[in-house]
Amino acid sequence: DAGVTQSPTHLIKTRGQQVTLRCSPKSGHDTVSWYQQALGQGPQFIFQYYEEEERQRGNFPDRFSGHQFPNYSSELNVNALLLGDSALYLCASSTFDRRNTEAFFGQGTRLTVV
Amino acid sequence: GNSVTQMEGPVTLSEEAFLTINCTYTATGYPSLFWYVQYPGEGLQLLLKATKADDKGSNKGFEATYRKETTSFHLEKGSVQVSDSAVYFCALSEADSWGKFQFGAGTQVVVTP
Repeated sequence: DAGVTQSPTHLIKTRGQQVTLRCSPKSGHDTVSWYQQALGQGPQFIFQYYEEEERQRGNFPDRFSGHQFPNYSSELNVNALLLGDSALYLCASSTFDRRNTEAFFGQGTRLTVV
Repeated sequence: GNSVTQMEGPVTLSEEAFLTINCTYTATGYPSLFWYVQYPGEGLQLLLKATKADDKGSNKGFEATYRKETTSFHLEKGSVQVSDSAVYFCALSEADSWGKFQFGAGTQVVVTP
């Protein structure tokens, strides 16, 4: 079992550009959540996808959008990148019925905006 | 809204010392509580959890008890090793929150030989 896999592991983008991050959930999981972790801080919830729909969203602007595919994998898109978007982006997967009690995290994608 | 507060780090200990990391929370309902650990350059790993009051979560020598009366979930380990050096995050998730985890700011633990 490969667990939660994220790609790429590192990424450097220029201010104003757009970026897409990808996540494959753990085998058997159908729910994917995305988190932003700024340096020295705890992860902040961005949004969650189940059945290809956004189910809940944190306090992030519309520049942050996502998608879930029929195979449960997910993408996080960020438009008009700002320097403040530099962070570690974490994907977490779970099953719908255990989404509040069990979540497995990937290694993250380190995004640097210059 | 919900929040998690944990003690600031870094916490520096000698090997075999006793470790306590305090965590308190505020929540509108009856959350599940978690401790996650993050090693340098890695993602989060679940260390332990408790889903209801008075439950004790334990794993790899770490323990934490869900205390509803004090809204706390303090992490303890009786004898730390150098390999326990990491950042520890306390977190909660409420039943009606669709799996949204609320994390504390993290506590860095440094264990020296």
